[in-house]
Amino acid sequence: GAGVSQSPSNKVTEKGKDVELRCDPISGHTALYWYRQSLGQGLEFLIYFQGNSAPDKSGLPSDRFSAERTGGSVSTLTIQRTQQEDSAVYLCASRTGGSDNEQFFGPGTRLTVL
Amino acid sequence: GDSVTQMEGPVTLSEEAFLTINCTYTATGYPSLFWYVQYPGEGLQLLLKATKADDKGSNKGFEATYRKETTSFHLEKGSVQVSDSAVYFCALKGYGGSQGNLIFGKGTKLSVKP
Repeated sequence: GAGVSQSPSNKVTEKGKDVELRCDPISGHTALYWYRQSLGQGLEFLIYFQGNSAPDKSGLPSDRFSAERTGGSVSTLTIQRTQQEDSAVYLCASRTGGSDNEQFFGPGTRLTVL
Repeated sequence: GDSVTQMEGPVTLSEEAFLTINCTYTATGYPSLFWYVQYPGEGLQLLLKATKADDKGSNKGFEATYRKETTSFHLEKGSVQVSDSAVYFCALKGYGGSQGNLIFGKGTKLSVKP
């Protein structure tokens, strides 16, 4: 049974470039979250998907950030025109059942913007 | 808004010492409370949780009690081992709603020396 996987594990990009980060949740998990882990800010919620409902985008820090989830499974987080302050580890998590259930986290993608 | 404050690390202990990591929260209503752990090179994992006041979560010798009167959820272990070296995150999930996104503290790094 595979856990949550994310790719790439590391991404180095130049300021101003766009990046796409991928998350494969655990099969059958209907809820998917993106978080960001950065020095000094800790872990911050970015966006939440639940089934076919409209996503909760309340944590996205700017309109340069967007995410989609295709077919209720794989999700991609896109950051346009990256800035140095976007450098962080981006974590994906999925869960099944109620909102108090455990969220299973992926290993993260470390993004470095030069 | 809701928030979590946990003691800053790093915390360095000798094996078999007693561990306390303090965590306090600010939230409306009755949040659910969690401790997540991140071992070196691994993803975040749920350690324990409590979903209502006076509940005690426990796992792997760790315990935390949901104290509404002091808005606290301190993590304790009677005798730490080298294998407990990790970063510990206190988190809450707000009361009500279905999203379940977690609000994390900034993490406390624990190092246990043999």
